[in-house]
Amino acid sequence: SQKIEQNSEALNIQEGKTATLTCNYTNYSPAYLQWYRQDPGRGPVFLLLIRENEKEKRKERLKVTFDTTLKQSLFHITASQPADSATYLCAFNTGGFKTIFGAGTRLFVKA
Amino acid sequence: NAGVMQNPRHLVRRRGQEARLRCSPMKGHSHVYWYRQLPEEGLKFMVYLQKENIIDESGMPKERFSAEFPKEGPSILRIQQVVRGDSAAYFCASSPEPGFYEQYFGPGTRLTVT
Repeated sequence: SQKIEQNSEALNIQEGKTATLTCNYTNYSPAYLQWYRQDPGRGPVFLLLIRENEKEKRKERLKVTFDTTLKQSLFHITASQPADSATYLCAFNTGGFKTIFGAGTRLFVKA
Repeated sequence: NAGVMQNPRHLVRRRGQEARLRCSPMKGHSHVYWYRQLPEEGLKFMVYLQKENIIDESGMPKERFSAEFPKEGPSILRIQQVVRGDSAAYFCASSPEPGFYEQYFGPGTRLTVT
């Protein structure tokens, strides 16, 4: 079955540094990947979508890459701020209406 | 423009009772998705509905769980005879059309079964 794996260990970084989160997938070749942010006690919020024919996508301080050979997406937050502390989820649609989500990686940005 | 609304936000039920979770999609959205999230786990797809139709319920447990999205009113996720294992956060999301990749999530309902 299709699987998404994200680093279950929390990522702790210093304010101002670049945070890099990894998403690996298996048993599928998605046409696109999505990244969401989830704060404690809240629903996920959509951040970015990258298609298989796009190597890189940017939005303000966010950057996503998509390597279909490695079956991997990287999510970068540059000049990170304490307000960026949250759990970040990777997801893809399986071609129908079903979206598969990773368990997320928790990011802590220390001032 | 109100976002996706879910109620109640917190629901406590004893084993054997019924739980009803409600979701009002964003204005103009007629596609609703339900997900379940256990602590330290990802969101698990349960069901996708359009108005008056269940399109994909491949993630729904075969027994005790049902969902509907009537012509008028919110979408309802119903869990009959709840068990402790049903304790989780249940999220609803909506989108304006099928295959629209971005989903808009509600705040979730946290169900606790005692």
